[in-house]
Amino acid sequence: DSGVTQTPKHLITATGQRVTLRCSPRSGDLSVYWYQQSLDQGLQFLIQYYNGEERAKGNILERFSAQQFPDLHSELNLSSLELGDSALYFCASSVEGTPEKLFFGSGTQLSVL
Amino acid sequence: GENVEQHPSTLSVQEGDSAVIKCTYSDSASNYFPWYKQELGKRPQLIIDIRSNVGEKKDQRIAVTLNKTAKHFSLHITETQPEDSAVYFCAASSSGYSTLTFGKGTMLLVSP
Repeated sequence: DSGVTQTPKHLITATGQRVTLRCSPRSGDLSVYWYQQSLDQGLQFLIQYYNGEERAKGNILERFSAQQFPDLHSELNLSSLELGDSALYFCASSVEGTPEKLFFGSGTQLSVL
Repeated sequence: GENVEQHPSTLSVQEGDSAVIKCTYSDSASNYFPWYKQELGKRPQLIIDIRSNVGEKKDQRIAVTLNKTAKHFSLHITETQPEDSAVYFCAASSSGYSTLTFGKGTMLLVSP
């Protein structure tokens, strides 16, 4: 167990819908990262937050948004869902001082039907 | 931005053989190169990493080598065991708060 908690584990929804994925980082970690994993694209970086502020943005679609709350948990919001958004979404956190060493949560498997 | 290429995409070996996975990166400023192992249905987990001031690092049966001039790094697993079967990802990042860029992964299958 990495200490990073993600909910829900599985999510099944329909095209056009909106969902929210939740992540709690390890105790003491200020950074939260969101990655999307699909079979053909590997692990794609979406967005990073540090202590409530957006730190870096990757290949995140405009239909997707995220935020980090004062208690450091983070939410990834996916809207106007398309079939191609079906993927495994990972959250990760890192230790202060070693931002490159990521500890991943168990992921949320999103299926858009 | 950084681009990481990883080869091969799949690798099948017999138990006890060695396995080598290779990655190349594009950004000469990158200086941190981790390897993650992802078992089926599980999260990626860091197994070994190397920084640009080191050419090689070993941890029991796994080792990583780095050639900064050629901008490539490799994962070596010796005496492979069935429990080594997993997807392995290489990654690269530069200093500070730069994010990791991952390769597309190598599925390693170790047959008994």
